Amino acid sequence: RKEVEQDPGPFNVPEGATVAFNCTYSNSASQSFFWYRQDCRKEPKLLMSVYSSGNEDGRFTAQLNRASQYISLLIRDSKLSDSATYLCVVSNDYKLSFGAGTTVTVRA
Amino acid sequence: EAGVVQSPRYKIIEKKQPVAFWCNPISGHNTLYWYRQNLGQGPELLIRYENEEAVDDSQLPKDRFSAERLKGVDSTLKIQPAELGDSAVYLCASSNRAPNPDTQYFGPGTRLTVL
Repeated sequence: RKEVEQDPGPFNVPEGATVAFNCTYSNSASQSFFWYRQDCRKEPKLLMSVYSSGNEDGRFTAQLNRASQYISLLIRDSKLSDSATYLCVVSNDYKLSFGAGTTVTVRA
Repeated sequence: EAGVVQSPRYKIIEKKQPVAFWCNPISGHNTLYWYRQNLGQGPELLIRYENEEAVDDSQLPKDRFSAERLKGVDSTLKIQPAELGDSAVYLCASSNRAPNPDTQYFGPGTRLTVL
C-alpha cells in the first residue's frame, strides 16, 4: 500500500468553478502535511501547509482529518493559471512522502 | 536569492554508461535531498544529507547509485552503470532547520533518458 494515495483525476473545470479533491495517508504517526503544486515539466513548489484546524490561503482551502487520515484541498473561483498537478505530501521525521498527484485543468 | 541549481538539465545516455548529476542548494541550507520522479508519480526520496552526513540513504540502490556532499554544500549523484529503468527526472531539494525544516525547495531537475 502506498503511503499517500490520491485520485489522479484529471479534474477538468471551467474558469470560476470550485474544485475539490482529497488524499489519504497510511501512517497515523505522520506529523506535518502539505500541498505542493507541480506545473508540467517543472519542479514541485510548496502551495500551502495543512493544519488540523483548516487553513485558507486566498482561494485555496486545506483541511486535515487526522481521525480518518485524509487531507483535502479546495480551489474556489478557479483561474486558468491553477492548471497544474497538485501533490499531497506527508512528513514524518522530516521525511516527505509524496502522492502521485491530482491533475487539474481549468478551461476558458 | 538564488534557488537550487542543478545541472545538466537533460541527459541522454546509452544503457551501461555512467552518468552524474550536480546540485548546488540554496545558500545556508543544511539539508539536501535527492529524489527520483518517474512519469506520473510523485518524487521518491533517494538520499538525505544533513551537512556532509548522509542520514537517510535507505532508498538508494547502492549497487549502482552513489552520492556525495563534500564540504556540506554541493552534491553529486552518480549512476554506474545506468539501466533502462533509470530513466526519470532526478530532483535535488534543500531545506533549513528554521523556520520550518519541512519546507523543501526543489531545483529544476535533471531529465535522464537511458536508451
